[in-house]
Amino acid sequence: GAGVSQSPSNKVTEKGKDVELRCDPISGHTALYWYRQSLGQGLEFLIYFQGNSAPDKSGLPSDRFSAERTGGSVSTLTIQRTQQEDSAVYLCASSMTSGADTQYFGPGTRLTVL
Amino acid sequence: QKEVEQNSGPLSVPEGAIASLNCTYSDRGSQSFFWYRQYSGKSPELIMSIYSNGDKEDGRFTAQLNKASQYVSLLIRDSQPSDSATYLCAVNWVNYGGSQGNLIFGKGTKLSVKP
Repeated sequence: GAGVSQSPSNKVTEKGKDVELRCDPISGHTALYWYRQSLGQGLEFLIYFQGNSAPDKSGLPSDRFSAERTGGSVSTLTIQRTQQEDSAVYLCASSMTSGADTQYFGPGTRLTVL
Repeated sequence: QKEVEQNSGPLSVPEGAIASLNCTYSDRGSQSFFWYRQYSGKSPELIMSIYSNGDKEDGRFTAQLNKASQYVSLLIRDSQPSDSATYLCAVNWVNYGGSQGNLIFGKGTKLSVKP
C-alpha cells in the first residue's frame, strides 16, 4: 500500500515519563529498522527486525529503550523514564527483505523531552 | 570496523553547475550502494542505487562506483536551488560468514545551490 507511516508525528513529554512510538511498514516488507537522528546529526541505528525477531539490537543506547514487532508488521519503540538527551527525531524504515535491500523511510516522530 | 565516510560540507555550488558528492567505505566486500537525499526537517528519500562498477545515470543524477578504490560518488548536473539538501551515502556491510548485511549510512554532505 502506501509508504511507511509513523505516529505520533510529534510527541512532547516530561522527563521521567514513558513514551511509545509506532511504525507501520510498507505492506509485505519483512525487514524493519529504527534510527534516531539528533538535530544536525547523522542517522544513529537503534534496532533491526526480520519478521518479528530482532537479530540486531546493538544500537539501543540503554536498557530504557526496547522495541517489539508483532504479526511481522507494526513495530513499537518504547522509551522508559525519558531523559532530555532522548530528544530527537525517531525514524523508522522498512525494506522488502533484510540485508542490502533499499530502505524506505517514514516521516519520523519528533520527540521532545522537557 | 564498518565505516562510510563523507565530507560534511557544506558544499556550495552556483545554480547550473555540477555538484560532486563523494563517499568512501571500509568494507571491501560491499555490493550495494545507495544515495539518499534529506531535506531539512524531512526524512531521507532514495535518489539512486548502484551495484556495478561504472556510471549509472538517472536524469540529472549520475552515480559512479569504483569498488577497487572503495569509492562511490554522486554527480548532480545543472544544479538547482531545490537540490539544496543533505545527501546521505549508504553502503551494505558484509557479515562474518560472507552474507550481505544491512546498510551503514554516512553522516551526509550538506549541499547548498546558490541562485
